[in-house]
Amino acid sequence: EVQLLESGGGLVQPGGSLRLSCAASGFTFRSYAMNWVRQAPGKGLEWVSGICANDGNTYYAGSVKGRFTISRDDSKNILYLQMNTLRAEDTAVYYCAKVTFSTCYAGVDNWGQGTLVTVSS
Amino acid sequence: DIVMTQSPDLLAVSLGERATINCKSSQSVLYSSNNKNYLGWYQQKPGQPPKLLIYWASTRESGVPDRFSGSGSGTDFTLTISSLQAEDVAVYYCQQYYSTPFTFGPGTKVDIK
Repeated sequence: EVQLLESGGGLVQPGGSLRLSCAASGFTFRSYAMNWVRQAPGKGLEWVSGICANDGNTYYAGSVKGRFTISRDDSKNILYLQMNTLRAEDTAVYYCAKVTFSTCYAGVDNWGQGTLVTVSS
Repeated sequence: DIVMTQSPDLLAVSLGERATINCKSSQSVLYSSNNKNYLGWYQQKPGQPPKLLIYWASTRESGVPDRFSGSGSGTDFTLTISSLQAEDVAVYYCQQYYSTPFTFGPGTKVDIK
């Protein structure tokens, strides 16, 4: 059974940094692309970032490009999201999500339960 | 960026009746080399993460009831629930994964009439 367990969320001041982690199990982690998707309170889904398997190519939403960095450690089966220069509008539940294939260009077939990031002074 | 729109915003349907949700992309998400539409549908119930229902616009994910079906091509897509059940009350999102950023539609809330 696929399991994705996010951690690292919490309260941070504007301009601060946070690193999210996602521990993956139940599948061959290195063989699949992974995404981060967020959802602001009471709002819809927003794709944040993706990292492909094999070539490790990374992609970002315009709203986070230059501030967030996605990475993966295939030896530990962990996905990361380093978030810098955080803004109030980054407040959201952040979901770790497994892509259906190794390519980034596919849908998400498994989601974690999410971790809440609150940016406030 | 590809902009995804959905209609309606809110859909109230009687139990056992058909529910139809529309999704439109600002440009085609059909990849001509493999004839696949890079579009998925997700269901999200309150307090839960989303769940994949449909991928490649019309392929049902394993374990998804066959009352859920997807159709369409290019820029216009439809998710149909053939006979609405109480457990189908949720928000439904479409997403394109044709080009980054992989944008979602704003969601359609389905409720019981």
